[in-house]
Amino acid sequence: EPEVTQTPSHQVTQMGQEVILRCVPISNHLYFYWYRQILGQKVEFLVSFYNNEISEKSEIFDDQFSVERPDGSNFTLKIRSTKLEDSAMYFCASTLTGTGEVQPQHFGDGTRLSIL
Amino acid sequence: AQSVAQPEDQVNVAEGNPLTVKCTYSVSGNPYLFWYVQYPNRGLQFLLKYITGDNLVKGSYGFEAEFNKSQTSFHLKKPSALVSDSALYFCAVRDGYNFNKFYFGSGTKLNVKP
Repeated sequence: EPEVTQTPSHQVTQMGQEVILRCVPISNHLYFYWYRQILGQKVEFLVSFYNNEISEKSEIFDDQFSVERPDGSNFTLKIRSTKLEDSAMYFCASTLTGTGEVQPQHFGDGTRLSIL
Repeated sequence: AQSVAQPEDQVNVAEGNPLTVKCTYSVSGNPYLFWYVQYPNRGLQFLLKYITGDNLVKGSYGFEAEFNKSQTSFHLKKPSALVSDSALYFCAVRDGYNFNKFYFGSGTKLNVKP
């Protein structure tokens, strides 16, 4: 069964540095998502992306964050000038369709981001 | 405001017994509800969804969920628990107007003891 893959599995970064988290969604999927899960807390929606632009974003997704689909396969989340509170597990997800038939999201295994 | 509540941080059940993991929701518009399971160091895996129709929804691994509109609940159930069902379970709802925005509960840790 096709999977969403995320790299790296664990990223350690100094506070203030930029970090890029990478995701390869399922190849025929059209809608892409990033979520954040701070240790012991709920999974929080960050952003959805369709047709090379942001579809929805949460209040968490401020100017520090950006997303990009630089080629036909990768979907990236960039965090500029990281803060200690950015430490979390970041999950990428994709679905085949969005506003039409309601499809479940397929999640990657996540990237654990640790800010020192 | 859209939200999901899972009132129990942890549910303990003996193998072979029925299990219930509770979820209540608040959403504008029609509720589109989901259950996901998360095993250690893995991403969330889809179990089942409610969109419309029959209030009892059947999903993967023998799980089912009952949609109750009057109680705004979507509890996850299984008639006979297995030790391998032990995991973290998340309820989620799609935003009623912003269709590409989803809200997740805080998760419930299910412990099934042999």
